[in-house]
Amino acid sequence: DAGVTQSPTHLIKTRGQQVTLRCSPKSGHDTVSWYQQALGQGPQFIFQYYEEEERQRGNFPDRFSGHQFPNYSSELNVNALLLGDSALYLCASSATGGYYGYTFGSGTRLTVV
Amino acid sequence: QKEVEQNSGPLSVPEGAIASLNCTYSDRGSQSFFWYRQYSGKSPELIMFIYSNGDKEDGRFTAQLNKASQYVSLLIRDSQPSDSATYLCAVIPPGGFKTIFGAGTRLFVKA
Repeated sequence: DAGVTQSPTHLIKTRGQQVTLRCSPKSGHDTVSWYQQALGQGPQFIFQYYEEEERQRGNFPDRFSGHQFPNYSSELNVNALLLGDSALYLCASSATGGYYGYTFGSGTRLTVV
Repeated sequence: QKEVEQNSGPLSVPEGAIASLNCTYSDRGSQSFFWYRQYSGKSPELIMFIYSNGDKEDGRFTAQLNKASQYVSLLIRDSQPSDSATYLCAVIPPGGFKTIFGAGTRLFVKA
C-alpha cells in the first residue's frame, strides 16, 4: 500500500522564479492539505483540496496556489519566490477532511537563493 | 495568543521513565486533537487522536484531554531512546477543516 508520494525531494530555486511541487495521496484518501514547515517550527497550513476545489486556505499570499486532479493528486505552485519561502513543504492526505488524522509525505525541501 | 501552544523543551528523561508532554489550545469549541511525532529530518507521523474528555491509551502512549481547561497531554511510559523526537500537538478548530499545529516539544530520552 503506497503511502503519500511527494516530488521532488529537494529543489533549489532563485528569487523571483516559480516552482511546482507534486503530491500523490495515500490510496483511499480523497483530501490533500499542504503545509509549510520552517526549521524549528510546526507545520503551517497553506490550503486544503477536496473534490478538486480549494476548501480552506491559511494565511498565505496569492503567490501560493494549488490544484487537485480527478485522481486526487495535487500540485502546489509558488510564484515570485522569496528567500523566506525556503522551507520544507509537506503534503498531507486524509479521508473526510482529516478528522482521523493525516498521513504525511516525506516532504520537499525548497531552498531559495 | 497562539492557537496551539507547547513548551519547546527540550524535555530530557532517563530511559524507562514517563515522559509527559503538554499542550494548550485557544479555541474552546475545538473537537479533534492529535499528537504527531517527528524525527529530525523526517515528516510528522500520527501517534494518536482523541475527541472525548478523559484518557485514551494505545500501547505505551496515553493521550489526555480536558476541554474545560483547553488542555491536551501525551504520556509516554517506559520511554526509550527511540522515542527521542519532536512531538507536535494539533487541533482542528470549529467551523473549518484545517488542522493547526503547535511548534512542538523536543524530547530526549537518555540511555
